[in-house]
Amino acid sequence: NAGVTQTPKFRILKIGQSMTLQCAQDMNHNYMYWYRQDPGMGLKLIYYSVGAGITDKGEVPNGYNVSRSTTEDFPLRLELAAPSQTSVYFCASSLSTGEGELFFGEGSRLTVL
Amino acid sequence: GESVGLHLPTLSVQEGDNSIINCAYSNSASDYFIWYKQESGKGPQFIIDIRSNMDKRQGQRVTVLLNKTVKHLSLQIAATQPGDSAVYFCAENNYGQNFVFGPGTRLSVLP
Repeated sequence: NAGVTQTPKFRILKIGQSMTLQCAQDMNHNYMYWYRQDPGMGLKLIYYSVGAGITDKGEVPNGYNVSRSTTEDFPLRLELAAPSQTSVYFCASSLSTGEGELFFGEGSRLTVL
Repeated sequence: GESVGLHLPTLSVQEGDNSIINCAYSNSASDYFIWYKQESGKGPQFIIDIRSNMDKRQGQRVTVLLNKTVKHLSLQIAATQPGDSAVYFCAENNYGQNFVFGPGTRLSVLP
């Protein structure tokens, strides 16, 4: 009964470093998403995927990359971390788009110094 | 576009009172709406949803009202409890496109 699992929960990076946020879901959902949440702002979509091998940009994709080699996993890669990427990142999955809830992970808090 | 800000609007209510949280959505063509609850340090959790062909939908202690004329959504929580303290936000969807999320309202329940 794990749902959506994100790792790590917390991470501090130096400017210019790279890292990957991991996301896995065990609900056999085709749709997966990465959002960032900044203080006082709504969730902003970074990238999404409608199935294994298919990814697309969301509203704020610059500075990030994703891959979807399996239905279960949807990692988010940060190359050359910048202070503007300090945020809380949420991975989510859904059975369909446009109907039904998004299931969210617990979030990954990233600080870039 | 959405209004942005560093500080969330806050609603403070006494325990046992009813709460009403409001959301102005942006797209008149949106046909599906969800309310989420986000507790501190956690991911958003689904509360209730409503389609645009409905004006009202009830769940357990929660009611969502939709006014398409003024693009307004509200969440009513009956007999508010300390466990209801959280940030609440609405999300809108336009016929299968990606959800657009509002900035949220912080609900604080006073003892």
